[in-house]
Amino acid sequence: QVQLQESGPGLVKPSETLSLSCTVSGGSIRPYYWSWIRQPPGKGLEWIGYIYYSGNTNYNPSLKSRVTISVDTSKNRFSLKLSSVTAADTAVYYCARALIVGATIEAFDIWGQGTLVTVSS
Amino acid sequence: QSALTQPASVSGSPGQSITISCTGTSSDVGGYNFVSWYQQHPGKAPKLMIYEVNNRPSGVSNRFSGSKSGNTASLTISGLQAEDEADYYCNSFTSSPTLGVLFGGGTKLTVL
Repeated sequence: QVQLQESGPGLVKPSETLSLSCTVSGGSIRPYYWSWIRQPPGKGLEWIGYIYYSGNTNYNPSLKSRVTISVDTSKNRFSLKLSSVTAADTAVYYCARALIVGATIEAFDIWGQGTLVTVSS
Repeated sequence: QSALTQPASVSGSPGQSITISCTGTSSDVGGYNFVSWYQQHPGKAPKLMIYEVNNRPSGVSNRFSGSKSGNTASLTISGLQAEDEADYYCNSFTSSPTLGVLFGGGTKLTVL
């Protein structure tokens, strides 16, 4: 079955750029939508954005100015970049497969295990 | 985009039924049938339990059911079991201010 695995640095300095990747195994990255979601320690979930395998994206308005999500279909992988990070960006970052009907996000049916990223000097 | 409103905690005894509410607006919960629910055990990733208001993915127990009335969606768990103790999050498509996704703040379910 399809599995997702996040990878990237667990520690990022303030004002720098957080970079994570999510590798899709057991299935193709096509023709699905893929998303990033985060969860600060002890808090709830926050949607960051999604990307279609073709490269079309949609971002959370509150993060849009700092977020870039990209896809590499040759490596069955998609990535997240979040710039100018602060301590408020410390969270467990999850990648997930998004089920989309038309232009609407229906649900997130497959999740990675998550990776903790701490923003600290 | 404001988070959807869920109670911080609910509790019930084994065998009982509980309901978790999720309140939004006409731009999200009330306007679309794209409400989903997730179960999250400590240290684990969320698991999809309900999608499109009241549909269960394959493998999810039929003790879990969903419904919606106006701007409020609900998750009902019947025949509570100890393994149901977890955090539960609702999720809805939103059209305001732009097309996107909102999550609820989460509800801690305690099985007494």
